[in-house]
Amino acid sequence: DTGVSQDPRHKITKRGQNVTFRCDPISEHNRLYWYRQTLGQGPEFLTYFQNEAQLEKSRLLSDRFSAERPKGSFSTLEIQRTEQGDSAMYLCASSRTGDGGYTFGSGTRLTVV
Amino acid sequence: EDKVVQSPLSLVVHEGDTVTLNCSYEVTNFRSLLWYKQEKKAPTFLFMLTSSGIEKKSGRLSSILDKKELFSILNITATQTGDSAVYLCAVEKRGYQKVTFGIGTKLQVIP
Repeated sequence: DTGVSQDPRHKITKRGQNVTFRCDPISEHNRLYWYRQTLGQGPEFLTYFQNEAQLEKSRLLSDRFSAERPKGSFSTLEIQRTEQGDSAMYLCASSRTGDGGYTFGSGTRLTVV
Repeated sequence: EDKVVQSPLSLVVHEGDTVTLNCSYEVTNFRSLLWYKQEKKAPTFLFMLTSSGIEKKSGRLSSILDKKELFSILNITATQTGDSAVYLCAVEKRGYQKVTFGIGTKLQVIP
């Protein structure tokens, strides 16, 4: 599969636990994005990487959230001290500079109980 | 704050019907408008529109942008049950990578 891969597909965690998600973009794509989507809403932008540099962060990304993209390849999104309001689908997308539109991964569905 | 408003929120049609989905937006420094189709999983890219009045077409789907009136439409002709999905509209701004999405229009095509 040469698309955007996300792992895990589903995660159930207890409130207060830390979780980490991984995204493997399409290999030739230098741009990587994280979005969050809740039921009945469109995706909301969280953060953007160009290669290994994190160039944009949403105000939605509180200090409990951190994202990295070491070496400009895969990326991780960590949520510390999860809250019930963090329950959502976390979508990763990638693109190449100059391309129109992103390619999204299938997402990681997080449920905080 | 940037806004993307889609209408209708949901729509039920019969196979073979033609549908028009609407998207209006308010954004400073507009760069492009994007349409995506979302079935159960990830949104899949349909169109990117940057210029007014130029129709983009892919099979039975077409879309056009009006930058003066700040809206776009997505048309689907001869609908099929496989067109059932949520259709998302989004806008990009110049100088930013953030894309602002609307809530989407849920289309159900019944046989």
